[in-house]
Amino acid sequence: AQTVTQSQPEMSVQEAETVTLSCTYDTSESDYYLFWYKQPPSRQMILVIRQEAYKQQNATENRFSVNFQKAAKSFSLKISDSQLGDAAMYFCAYRSARGAQKLVFGQGTRLTINP
Amino acid sequence: NAGVTQTPKFRILKIGQSMTLQCTQDMNHNYMYWYRQDPGMGLKLIYYSVGAGITDKGEVPNGYNVSRSTTEDFPLRLELAAPSQTSVYFCASSYSVRGYNEQFFGPGTRLTVL
Repeated sequence: AQTVTQSQPEMSVQEAETVTLSCTYDTSESDYYLFWYKQPPSRQMILVIRQEAYKQQNATENRFSVNFQKAAKSFSLKISDSQLGDAAMYFCAYRSARGAQKLVFGQGTRLTINP
Repeated sequence: NAGVTQTPKFRILKIGQSMTLQCTQDMNHNYMYWYRQDPGMGLKLIYYSVGAGITDKGEVPNGYNVSRSTTEDFPLRLELAAPSQTSVYFCASSYSVRGYNEQFFGPGTRLTVL
């Protein structure tokens, strides 16, 4: 079974600075997807960014980018120019490319933005 | 397009009571899922369905039942509620086309069992 590990329960960053959230995963599959979700206090799950494992190029969405290291099974999220609205829980998630598209989540990292 | 809707938003149950959490999606998605999120933790899959009439267990199915009689609805039944079932429950849905398909989440139901 696949597992996802986020080793940083909490992180904090000054507004306008850059922060990196870590995620590692374990799988024997070669074809899969990785995701970062944001969960603000409203509880709504918001997709931030995704990465297809067969793509070597790291995904980027505006201020959010990932560092995908397939051999090391590492998938970190970098947030540039941090804003107060980025404060939330962030979850890393894994999904096999086969089957019913079930998501496996990490434990989450609580990100605090200091003004 | 309402997306994925869940009712109720909040509920308090007494130990041993039963209830059904409702989930409806209007995107004609074949795949639907139920996750639970314990305090300070990530989401864990309870049950999922790949189409009407087809359901299967996820990682933490004990104490729950599901049914899928229509494409739109995927209710989650709690029988004999226990304090360990205190959690936030999320329903989600996605297309079944091969390849990447975003999973859309409902707003969640906060359940407390006392």
